[in-house]
Amino acid sequence: DTGVSQDPRHKITKRGQNVTFRCDPISEHNRLYWYRQTLGQGPEFLTYFQNEAQLEKSRLLSDRFSAERPKGSFSTLEIQRTEQGDSAMYLCASSPGTGGRGGELFFGEGSRLTVL
Amino acid sequence: AQSVAQPEDQVNVAEGNPLTVKCTYSVSGNPYLFWYVQYPNRGLQFLLKYITGDNLVKGSYGFEAEFNKSQTSFHLKKPSALVSDSALYFCAVSPFDQTGANNLFFGTGTRLTVIP
Repeated sequence: DTGVSQDPRHKITKRGQNVTFRCDPISEHNRLYWYRQTLGQGPEFLTYFQNEAQLEKSRLLSDRFSAERPKGSFSTLEIQRTEQGDSAMYLCASSPGTGGRGGELFFGEGSRLTVL
Repeated sequence: AQSVAQPEDQVNVAEGNPLTVKCTYSVSGNPYLFWYVQYPNRGLQFLLKYITGDNLVKGSYGFEAEFNKSQTSFHLKKPSALVSDSALYFCAVSPFDQTGANNLFFGTGTRLTVIP
């Protein structure tokens, strides 16, 4: 399968613990996005990378959240000191460098976080 | 600021009947509009987009959408619904971004149920 892959698919953790999610984009895509989706809502933008550079961050991305894409390939999203409000589906998407605003995003199946 | 509204949380339609899923938008400048579909346990999938040109755009699986600038709408349509079309549908808009990124802002989604 050459699509966007995310790991783990489901993570259950206790409040206060740290969690990390990994995203492997489609290999030739140099743009990578993280979104968060809660029940009954559409995906909300968190952050965006072009290659290894993090070019944009949403106000939703509090200080407890950090994302990296060290070599411009896979990306990690870490949440420190998790809170129950962090429970959500975390989606990763990638796109090629061409296409600009009109380009299609390719989404992974998501990583579901449950904070007890 | 940009926003997307999907006024119906749920749409039910009988198999074989035409379907419409509504979307209205608000965005500065020229709108770049998208429809994505989310099947259970699957990632979001691109259906179609409007960038410029013909107001009626055709997409995957027989879906089409009509861009109406005066009504700021981008309704999704299909002439004859299939049971397999049952899924969660999201309308999205891409705002202007200086980086040229194709970030998306999503509506809250409409659950389509096609009744056999």
